Amino acid sequence: GAVVSQHPSRVICKSGTSVKIECRSLDFQATTMFWYRQFPKQSLMLMATSNEGSKATYEQGVEKDKFLINHASLTLSTLTVTSAHPEDSSFYICSARDFSFDSYNEQFFGPGTRLTVL
Amino acid sequence: AQKVTQAQTEISVVEKEDVTLDCVYETRDTTYYLFWYKQPPSGELVFLIRRNSFDEQNEISGRYSWNFQKSTSSFNFTITASQVVDSAVYFCALTYGGNKLVFGAGTILRVKS
Repeated sequence: GAVVSQHPSRVICKSGTSVKIECRSLDFQATTMFWYRQFPKQSLMLMATSNEGSKATYEQGVEKDKFLINHASLTLSTLTVTSAHPEDSSFYICSARDFSFDSYNEQFFGPGTRLTVL
Repeated sequence: AQKVTQAQTEISVVEKEDVTLDCVYETRDTTYYLFWYKQPPSGELVFLIRRNSFDEQNEISGRYSWNFQKSTSSFNFTITASQVVDSAVYFCALTYGGNKLVFGAGTILRVKS
């Protein structure tokens, strides 16, 4: 149980295009999902917290107009990188909380999406 | 502010050696959770352990063991009799703000045969 999927796993795009990444909780309902970014040889940095049915909360320094997050259902959150540029190339990882396990405060992570902007 | 420090950037050991990965954390929360994750070259995070702030019992799981000491704000991870398959990046993480996670910089473990 508690499986999170991401699609696509890898994407290469041209500079200036927009890319959408999907994050799905497959066997549980996730009222909260998180989006992280990991640059090569660096740690994971939280970008935003996504709550179902409400606007995402972005961490300081993250451009909300560039990284659009939509959490329209209890099993799906999407991250759209708008007008992507080479500096947006990174590994994007989502996670989801299953509030039936709330007492454990655990997040379940997706496998990640590697974005390369040419 | 919440912070996780993994001072060891990279550790190299020979197979069958024991290795300890250090994790020191800072938080003002009285209730918090600590985690260890393994990230192999594929990139997918593998959950290893969760520990809450009220449970200072050490834990052993096979070749893995964890030592949690609130007095020194440390949550160290030991691999006994390391194997090549243990080679990965290991992250220590801490909850804050109720449900967010802050990660340490990670420790690259290289186990040579």
